[in-house]
Amino acid sequence: EDKVVQSPLSLVVHEGDTVTLNCSYEVTNFRSLLWYKQEKKAPTFLFMLTSSGIEKKSGRLSSILDKKELFSILNITATQTGDSAIYLCAVEARGNNDMRFGAGTRLTVKP
Amino acid sequence: EAQVTQNPRYLITVTGKKLTVTCSQNMNHEYMSWYRQDPGLGLRQIYYSMNVEVTDKGDVPEGYKVSRKEKRNFPLILESPSPNQTSLYFCASRQRGNTEAFFGQGTRLTVV
Repeated sequence: EDKVVQSPLSLVVHEGDTVTLNCSYEVTNFRSLLWYKQEKKAPTFLFMLTSSGIEKKSGRLSSILDKKELFSILNITATQTGDSAIYLCAVEARGNNDMRFGAGTRLTVKP
Repeated sequence: EAQVTQNPRYLITVTGKKLTVTCSQNMNHEYMSWYRQDPGLGLRQIYYSMNVEVTDKGDVPEGYKVSRKEKRNFPLILESPSPNQTSLYFCASRQRGNTEAFFGQGTRLTVV
């Protein structure tokens, strides 16, 4: 059965710290891996990764995919309180509309 | 503005009373999905639709129905809600191909 596992499930850091969130997966016919940030309600899109070893970057956030070892990491440098959120990883398989989500990592950034 | 609109945002209902949560998108997306989000379980797919009149079960379809009569609308129907359907529900849409999903603002449903 396809699955997506995120770790840690929760994390508390202080402003300025760097964090690394992990997402491992087992999916038949992998197509892409997506990261979302969920603050109050609706998840908002961060990155889509389809190729191994190519880093995607947006400001202080970056992500990379390893298709051999079947995982991705999301890095946040110089964290701010506004980074506090649930970070969701989702994997999409070819041939269907199934976007399977992990349980999420709840990140809390303290002042 | 491109968006996915869900209604209602909050709903408290009683066991067995049929309800419908509406979802509408204005981006002409082919794919639409419904998810429920429960603590520690992430987002689990209930139903999805790849086009008009085409719907398929996701991971947790029991107790739910959907329809896709028009491209923009994808309502979620609970014929006889039960307390275990108390959850936060999200509708999402996306374009065909390798694209990200856009989510509605969520519907917080409580069944007592």
